[in-house]
Amino acid sequence: GAVVSQHPSRVICKSGTSVKIECRSLDFQATTMFWYRQFPKQSLMLMATSNEGSKATYEQGVEKDKFLINHASLTLSTLTVTSAHPEDSSFYICSASSPAATNEKLFFGSGTQLSVL
Amino acid sequence: SQKIEQNSEALNIQEGKTATLTCNYTNYSPAYLQWYRQDPGRGPVFLLLIRENEKEKRKERLKVTFDTTLKQSLFHITASQPADSATYLCALSYSGGGADGLTFGKGTHLIIQP
Repeated sequence: GAVVSQHPSRVICKSGTSVKIECRSLDFQATTMFWYRQFPKQSLMLMATSNEGSKATYEQGVEKDKFLINHASLTLSTLTVTSAHPEDSSFYICSASSPAATNEKLFFGSGTQLSVL
Repeated sequence: SQKIEQNSEALNIQEGKTATLTCNYTNYSPAYLQWYRQDPGRGPVFLLLIRENEKEKRKERLKVTFDTTLKQSLFHITASQPADSATYLCALSYSGGGADGLTFGKGTHLIIQP
């Protein structure tokens, strides 16, 4: 099946710094990738849809200047949390759909646990 | 707005028994419904997809049903094993055109006791 790799798996940073999270599709090309955020015992909340070669589409309430998304190639999307604050601490997960799987199901990365001190 | 409800409390099942998890939704029925498994600190893994015109889908020890009248999907694991312990998420797609329309429930934490 399709494999999505996410890095890093865990990051601890100081308040005010920026953190970059990478999401790669390893064995397929993903024109669209999705970034989710998940708080403990809560559902996955879609933050934005990342489209290769164009601007990301952000969900309502998500600050595009704070969560910068770049999808420069068909296999890589990055999420940068700029000027991170403790309230940004969360589990961030990327996913992609594969054309070979009719784009209906999602293949998820392993997630990144962000802790902002 | 659409709401997805899954049992928020943990479900404890004895090994060997059938575990049944529930996913209820409000308002109109989705084009298709999916179930994912999520282990602690990991991303979800796709298990099964069922479309609105299908009543039941099976895969090995897993079975999913979809009742658009009751607005409910049931997810069954037969002959449950401790390794089945995880959080199971149901996800609905209303667009029918791709995964960008997926909305997730909070998930049900399943514990299979030896």
